[in-house]
Amino acid sequence: DGGITQSPKYLFRKEGQNVTLSCEQNLNHDAMYWYRQDPGQGLRLIYYSQIVNDFQKGDIAEGYSVSREKKESFPLTVTSAQKNPTAFYLCASSATSGEMDEQFFGPGTRLTVL
Amino acid sequence: GENVEQHPSTLSVQEGDSAVIKCTYSDSASNYFPWYKQELGKRPQLIIDIRSNVGEKKDQRIAVTLNKTAKHFSLHITETQPEDSAVYFCAASNYGGSQGNLIFGKGTKLSVKP
Repeated sequence: DGGITQSPKYLFRKEGQNVTLSCEQNLNHDAMYWYRQDPGQGLRLIYYSQIVNDFQKGDIAEGYSVSREKKESFPLTVTSAQKNPTAFYLCASSATSGEMDEQFFGPGTRLTVL
Repeated sequence: GENVEQHPSTLSVQEGDSAVIKCTYSDSASNYFPWYKQELGKRPQLIIDIRSNVGEKKDQRIAVTLNKTAKHFSLHITETQPEDSAVYFCAASNYGGSQGNLIFGKGTKLSVKP
């Protein structure tokens, strides 16, 4: 299960707190993605990054923020502005977003807001 | 933007039978259609994909068909086995165009009964 890792596996947070989810890849991939997975909803794109120091909003970016300071890392911050943050979060990467490359997924982080 | 609908949401078959999952998409410019399998508690993994210049693709017991005119594509699993039990997601994207990111269906939970 190497290649793309996420930590922690489980995360608990109190309402009103920001929390940062880690995503690291050693595949030398240019593109990285964050998805949110809710039961019966499939995978919805939060943010994506095609290159270092650049990222774009996905379909459900409100209440989230990201950074891409290194090629290997794409952390996601869930802010207190996110109304319903409890979900399973998946990070993915692909060689390039300009071609039809397979997206490789990390093992996910399950966030629970108490 | 692109919208992907997936049916059925749940599917139960007897071991050895075939299973078919169907997806429709709305953007006629979509040109890449992957299928992901997600076993319980694990990350999604690509099992097969098809480009818009191909009508059918097969890999052992798994096949995907694409009908560009009708804007639908299907996953076919023959001789199902208990280890095929998982949630399957279809996706569509328009690489190189205005919608280059994957848009996922809501998933189909396949149960294969021994």
